Amino acid sequence: SYELTQPPSVSVSPGQTASIACSGDKLGDKYVCWYQQKPGQSPVLVIHEDSKRPSGIPERFSGSNSGNTATLTISGTQAMDEADYYCQAWDSRIHVVFGGGTKLTVL
Amino acid sequence: QVQLQESGPGLVKPSETLSLTCTVSGDSISGYYWSWIRQPPGKGLEWIGYIYYSGSTNYNPSLKSRVTISMDTTNNQVSLKLSSVTAADTAVFYCARGISYFIDYWGQGTLVTVSS
Repeated sequence: SYELTQPPSVSVSPGQTASIACSGDKLGDKYVCWYQQKPGQSPVLVIHEDSKRPSGIPERFSGSNSGNTATLTISGTQAMDEADYYCQAWDSRIHVVFGGGTKLTVL
Repeated sequence: QVQLQESGPGLVKPSETLSLTCTVSGDSISGYYWSWIRQPPGKGLEWIGYIYYSGSTNYNPSLKSRVTISMDTTNNQVSLKLSSVTAADTAVFYCARGISYFIDYWGQGTLVTVSS
C-alpha cells in the first residue's frame, strides 16, 4: 500500500518560516493537498493540487511538490498557525491516502 | 453555504455494525465525491472510502471487507456501515465532500465508541 511520511513535529519561532515535508514514492507524479487541524476542530484545506490556495487562506501558506517530496511552507508564521498539518495524495490507484500528521509548534 | 452533519449512535457494541448518516445541506450531492474519514483519539486521519454521485464507490483496502458506503439523493444523504467492529474502530468519524483531488468541506465529526 502507498504511504506518506511526515515528521511528527516541527517547531518555529513567530515570524519565521516553517516547512513541513511529506514524502512518498514518486509523490511528484501525484496531486498533493494539505489540511490544518486545530484541537477539537475539523480539518481545513489550506493547499490543494500541490500549490493552490483556497479562498480565504492567507498568502503566507504555500506548497510545492517534486520528486518524492511535497512541502508546505508557512512564511511569517503566527501563533494562530499552531496546529496539526496533514498531507494527502490522490491518484487513480491509491485513491486517497493521508500522511501521519505533523504537529507545528510556534514558540 | 454547504453544511455536512453526521448522525448516528455514539456507542456500538463489539462485533456489531456501526451505522452513520451524513446529511448535506446548502447544495446538492450531485457532482461530488463523498468520503468518510476517521480519526482515533489522539491519532491521525484515515480515509475509509468514498462514493461518487454516480453511485460508484472506492474503499480503503484495509477496510474494504467491512465497509459499505451508500447515498440517498432524494434526501441528500450519504451513509456509512462498518461491520464487525472492535475497540480499534473507536474514532471520530467525519463526512467530507471531495472535488477531484481534494476535500473542500468537512462535517464537524461524530465520536463513535466501541464498547460493551
